[in-house]
Amino acid sequence: DAGVTQSPTHLIKTRGQQVTLRCSPISGHKSVSWYQQVLGQGPQFIFQYYEKEERGRGNFPDRFSARQFPNYSSELNVNALLLGDSALYLCASSLDGDSRSTDTQYFGPGTRLTVL
Amino acid sequence: AQTVTQSQPEMSVQEAETVTLSCTYDTSENNYYLFWYKQPPSRQMILVIRQEAYKQQNATENRFSVNFQKAAKSFSLKISDSQLGDTAMYFCAFMNSGYALNFGKGTSLLVTP
Repeated sequence: DAGVTQSPTHLIKTRGQQVTLRCSPISGHKSVSWYQQVLGQGPQFIFQYYEKEERGRGNFPDRFSARQFPNYSSELNVNALLLGDSALYLCASSLDGDSRSTDTQYFGPGTRLTVL
Repeated sequence: AQTVTQSQPEMSVQEAETVTLSCTYDTSENNYYLFWYKQPPSRQMILVIRQEAYKQQNATENRFSVNFQKAAKSFSLKISDSQLGDTAMYFCAFMNSGYALNFGKGTSLLVTP
């Protein structure tokens, strides 16, 4: 079975532009989480979606938004890009994401975003 | 808020030797879960091992084992018979009965021949 896939692999944008990152979860997984990993740091939680609903949000500005589709794939959108948004964006999927469970999250290879 | 601390930014070990990576965390929760993830230069974050706080028995996965000390809020990773392919960043992560992983800053492990 395929693991979590993300596209594109790399992306270069300029300040003020908008970007959309895509993620496809492991087959059968209903929950998708997004993380931002700045160089030299551990990943920081941005969002989790379960059954197309936002289940949780980290400490990120409203410029960051996401959605989940009926096939459980997800998009992360970032508007009005800043230089500080340059990072590796990781997507992780888990089986059902029920708030009472702690399903292990499996990560994709990430999208490297560079903002110039 | 939960915090995860990895006090060793870099470590080095010779092939076939054993190395232990440290992790401490801070939480007021009683039920939670701890993870070690490995991130090689390819950037793919790979699950190494998982520990449920309610289990007293330390988790093991082949050459990887943990020393979970709940009272001390310590969760160290032991890698036995180190291999060159173990070279990577290792992240300790915490999750309570929710959804967000809280990661430490990582430990860079270099395995030398």
